[in-house]
Amino acid sequence: DGGITQSPKYLFRKEGQNVTLSCEQNLNHDAMYWYRQDPGQGLRLIYYSQIVNDFQKGDIAEGYSVSREKKESFPLTVTSAQKNPTAFYLCASSLAGWVNRSPLHFGNGTRLTVT
Amino acid sequence: GESVGLHLPTLSVQEGDNSIINCAYSNSASDYFIWYKQESGKGPQFIIDIRSNMDKRQGQRVTVLLNKTVKHLSLQIAATQPGDSAVYFCAENPNNNAGNMLTFGGGTRLMVKP
Repeated sequence: DGGITQSPKYLFRKEGQNVTLSCEQNLNHDAMYWYRQDPGQGLRLIYYSQIVNDFQKGDIAEGYSVSREKKESFPLTVTSAQKNPTAFYLCASSLAGWVNRSPLHFGNGTRLTVT
Repeated sequence: GESVGLHLPTLSVQEGDNSIINCAYSNSASDYFIWYKQESGKGPQFIIDIRSNMDKRQGQRVTVLLNKTVKHLSLQIAATQPGDSAVYFCAENPNNNAGNMLTFGGGTRLMVKP
């Protein structure tokens, strides 16, 4: 089945540690995205990448870093500089925006808890 | 900044009734809109989309209406079922050279009473 896989589903870390969240897609999509969701709220954009080896900051990029070395992978690192890292993290992918408007397809998220 | 928002945070309906979820947006340059359904502990699931050159689009039991004059988007669900209980998000593409990146509203929780 084609889709987006996020792992792990639950992640626990101690404050001060960096942690990397995995996102893999086999939809052959050029564009990938990371969103953060806090309880009872909408999604906020952290980073996005429209093509391999290129990415841009979203609305809340501070304390996060990404890489896009392969088309199918877009890992997100939550660094110790992120002040409130506990959240539900969602990865998404889509066709490239210059092709046509198309919806984002989401993974099932990673719930990160930092204590 | 410009954003997408919702009128009602929680909507409770009787099973079998029709549901209407509303969304107001403020970016007049947005050219593409999507409704997503999110169940607890899962990622958002695509329901239906509409481009700005349309004012209505129908899917299976769902209809999206777009009123560009008042910057309003709605999702209508016919014969609501218990499986429709979830949080619904509207999202817009602000047409700002960022490809298909979306801006999301805050979400409405739909509760279906048996």
